[in-house]
Amino acid sequence: DTAVSQTPKYLVTQMGNDKSIKCEQNLGHDTMYWYKQDSKKFLKIMFSYNNKELIINETVPNRFSPKSPDKAHLNLHINSLELGDSAVYFCASSKDRGPGNTIYFGEGSWLTVV
Amino acid sequence: AQKITQTQPGMFVQEKEAVTLDCTYDTSDQSYGLFWYKQPSSGEMIFLIYQGSYDEQNATEGRYSLNFQKARKSANLVISASQLGDSAMYFCAMREGWSQFYFGTGTSLTVIP
Repeated sequence: DTAVSQTPKYLVTQMGNDKSIKCEQNLGHDTMYWYKQDSKKFLKIMFSYNNKELIINETVPNRFSPKSPDKAHLNLHINSLELGDSAVYFCASSKDRGPGNTIYFGEGSWLTVV
Repeated sequence: AQKITQTQPGMFVQEKEAVTLDCTYDTSDQSYGLFWYKQPSSGEMIFLIYQGSYDEQNATEGRYSLNFQKARKSANLVISASQLGDSAMYFCAMREGWSQFYFGTGTSLTVIP
């Protein structure tokens, strides 16, 4: 069983559309994250939830909205997609936010906006 | 200031040789964790190794070891006996206290047959 799974893996869509990426973890972790990796491979934190509560909300356009229905799920909804949103989006989880807790990543969702 | 600095954008190593990937970090916290991840061309992020700030021994996991020099604030990854499958991007990361993870910009490693 995949520990952190996200769907879809590939997404090609037109500018202006709205899309969602779903994420689930079966590790029993309390903390979940969304990261964006740009074309230069730089990993940037977007959001972090701990037990369904938003704890990190970096400077991200408000077109991006996370939703955590329970602590095992963290979905990402993107409104009015723009060309610059093309990137790889990684969902991740960790046991909690302590310094010794490893982040485990999903396989990534490749978003291409045309 | 950058929390994590990886100064080697690209590295080459001969198969079966050892290679060191550099990582320096910046924190004033006493409690922090240091991590290395591997990202092959297929794109997934694979956790390799962890070192806690209070750990006195260097962490090792198979062919990976973390050369932890606390006073120098460095956490270099050493890969012994390189294999072709080690060709990938490698990211150093740090978590200080109970805050977020910080990632470096990565080092692209190419193993030459």
